[in-house]
Amino acid sequence: DQQVKQNSPSLSVQEGRISILNCDYTNSMFDYFLWYKKYPAEGPTFLISISSIKDKNEDGRFTVFLNKSAKHLSLHIVPSQPGDSAVYFCAASAGGDGFGNEKLTFGTGTRLTIIP
Amino acid sequence: EPEVTQTPSHQVTQMGQEVILRCVPISNHLYFYWYRQILGQKVEFLVSFYNNEISEKSEIFDDQFSVERPDGSNFTLKIRSTKLEDSAMYFCASSEQPHGYTFGSGTRLTVV
Repeated sequence: DQQVKQNSPSLSVQEGRISILNCDYTNSMFDYFLWYKKYPAEGPTFLISISSIKDKNEDGRFTVFLNKSAKHLSLHIVPSQPGDSAVYFCAASAGGDGFGNEKLTFGTGTRLTIIP
Repeated sequence: EPEVTQTPSHQVTQMGQEVILRCVPISNHLYFYWYRQILGQKVEFLVSFYNNEISEKSEIFDDQFSVERPDGSNFTLKIRSTKLEDSAMYFCASSEQPHGYTFGSGTRLTVV
């Protein structure tokens, strides 16, 4: 039951160019979406998030776009840097009680490689 | 910067043995979680814990699994009788507010 899907297992981008990572979801109850970055032998690190009431959220070089009608979100990194090379996970949560108990449903990840 | 600490980083155990994975969440966080990632697969939710009880658990979290917060600082995951398919990276996380997750570096469990 893949409620969150990242169809590209890997992506290579030239340093300085834009990296675009995509994520699709099927559960219409999801109302909060997050991107995590993961290096080998480390836990996922929170990158950026977006609520379903927005369609864009920006934080420095990172921008997340949400298209609710298409159930699609994307992470843009510009300009891409060698340190951005990692596995990127899309995650989603649904409603909950608003007190922080929302479990996260993760995608399978996309391995991003920035080519110097 | 505060961090979630997990020990050990790697645990090898024989099938059928009990294993306890340990986590020290960030001290002022109130919500605790265990996730796991089987090699090459996605990160999967196991269980959430709040106010000294389980808030939610997944279908993976069967009777072989249990969690405990024995002393107000540690948060443990116990697998009573390990199976080969329990081999995975286990991540502990804690949060103070909705969506404010901090993950630990994980424990790699290998069941042989």
